[in-house]
Amino acid sequence: TQLLEQSPQFLSIQEGENLTVYCNSSSVFSSLQWYRQEPGEGPVLLVTVVTGGEVKKLKRLTFQFGDARKDSSLHITAAQPGDTGLYLCAGGGSSASKIIFGSGTRLSIRP
Amino acid sequence: GAGVSQSPRYKVAKRGQDVALRCDPISGHVSLFWYQQALGQGPEFLTYFQNEAQLDKSGLPSDRFFAERPEGSVSTLKIQRTQQEDSAVYLCASSWSGTSGRATDTQYFGPGTRLTVL
Repeated sequence: TQLLEQSPQFLSIQEGENLTVYCNSSSVFSSLQWYRQEPGEGPVLLVTVVTGGEVKKLKRLTFQFGDARKDSSLHITAAQPGDTGLYLCAGGGSSASKIIFGSGTRLSIRP
Repeated sequence: GAGVSQSPRYKVAKRGQDVALRCDPISGHVSLFWYQQALGQGPEFLTYFQNEAQLDKSGLPSDRFFAERPEGSVSTLKIQRTQQEDSAVYLCASSWSGTSGRATDTQYFGPGTRLTVL
């Protein structure tokens, strides 16, 4: 069974600080996606990484896919209150149609 | 419409009642997915349609759960004889094509239906 573990589960930091959240698995994934979900809404795709070692940047967010394609990280520089939300990683499952989600990291940025 | 819509947004059911949850995908999207999200957890895959064909229903937790998409557009997730453990947010997503994990196959999620079973 493919599982994605995210850490930390909760993170509360001050505005302007940097942070990293992690997504780990014992399984190899062909690609990993990161989503952000706000209360009362569905997840919104932030990025997809497909190549081992790949790094993608989205403004203050930096996403990295591990060389072995078993893990990924999300680094946020100079966090802002608007970054608050549930961050979910997700990878392709055992069939082409299935996405496996991690349990998420709930991020809170204090002004 | 501009995005995926779901109705109702909130549903309260007494244990044993049947419920029907509706999903309107983005117009023209071939694929439609249903997920169940328990409180404090990530979404869990339930089932997947490509047009009107249900190609994967391996995530449906029991035979009380049934999904359909008869004309390849709107989908309904039906839960019979609801139980308290069915309480969750039910998310619907749609995409242009059916293969997840590919960089070009973005799934667009609706806001979800929060089901509470008393």
